[in-house]
Amino acid sequence: GESVGLHLPTLSVQEGDNSIINCAYSNSASDYFIWYKQESGKGPQFIIDIRSNMDKRQGQRVTVLLNKTVKHLSLQIAATQPGDSAVYFCAEEPGAQKLVFGQGTRLTINP
Amino acid sequence: GAVVSQHPSWVICKSGTSVKIECRSLDFQATTMFWYRQFPKQSLMLMATSNEGSKATYEQGVEKDKFLINHASLTLSTLTVTSAHPEDSSFYICSASGGKGYGYTFGSGTRLTVV
Repeated sequence: GESVGLHLPTLSVQEGDNSIINCAYSNSASDYFIWYKQESGKGPQFIIDIRSNMDKRQGQRVTVLLNKTVKHLSLQIAATQPGDSAVYFCAEEPGAQKLVFGQGTRLTINP
Repeated sequence: GAVVSQHPSWVICKSGTSVKIECRSLDFQATTMFWYRQFPKQSLMLMATSNEGSKATYEQGVEKDKFLINHASLTLSTLTVTSAHPEDSSFYICSASGGKGYGYTFGSGTRLTVV
C-alpha cells in the first residue's frame, strides 16, 4: 500500500492560539489536495481542499497554503478551540482518481 | 451533502472466519469506491479502488484473494476479509466518489478484531 505512516508527530497549542500543520507530498503530478480531520474511532472529515492552480484557499477559521515548488502543503487553524483536537491528514490525488494520505499530525489543544 | 454509510461499525470474529463490511452511498451514485486500512496511530493506507461493475484494482502488497471487493451497484461496495487472522485486526474505512472532480466522501469506519 501507499503512504503508510509510522508514529504520528504531535503539535500542542494553547487554546485561542493559531495552529499550523505541515505536510510534504511526494508526487509532482498531484493536482488536488485535501485536508482531513479524524477523531478517534471515526472516519476522516473533510476540512478544506485546494487545486494545483491555486496557492491559497480560505475557509471558516482555516486556510490551506500550497507550495508546488517544494511540494509542501500547510493547514492553518485560527483561534484553536478544544474541539479542534484531533489527527489531521493531508491527502493528494496523484493524477489518477484516488487519494493517498500523508503521515498525519496529532493536534492537542491545551486549556 | 454526500453521505456514505458503512456497516458494521465494529465486529469481532474468530480466527479463520470471514467478515463482510458494507459501504453504501446514500444520496449519490458512487462510480468509484475505495477501501483503506488504518492501524493504530498510523495513516490511512489505500488497499484498493473499485469501479462499479469491474474488478477492483489493488495496491501493491495487498492480497486480492484475502480482501475480496465487490462493487455490484452504484451505491454499494463490500469488502470481505477471508480467513481472518489476528494480524488483520484493524480499522477499515471506505470512501466513495461520484467521479473525478466530485470529491471523496468517507464512511465512519469498521473496527475489526480477530480473536
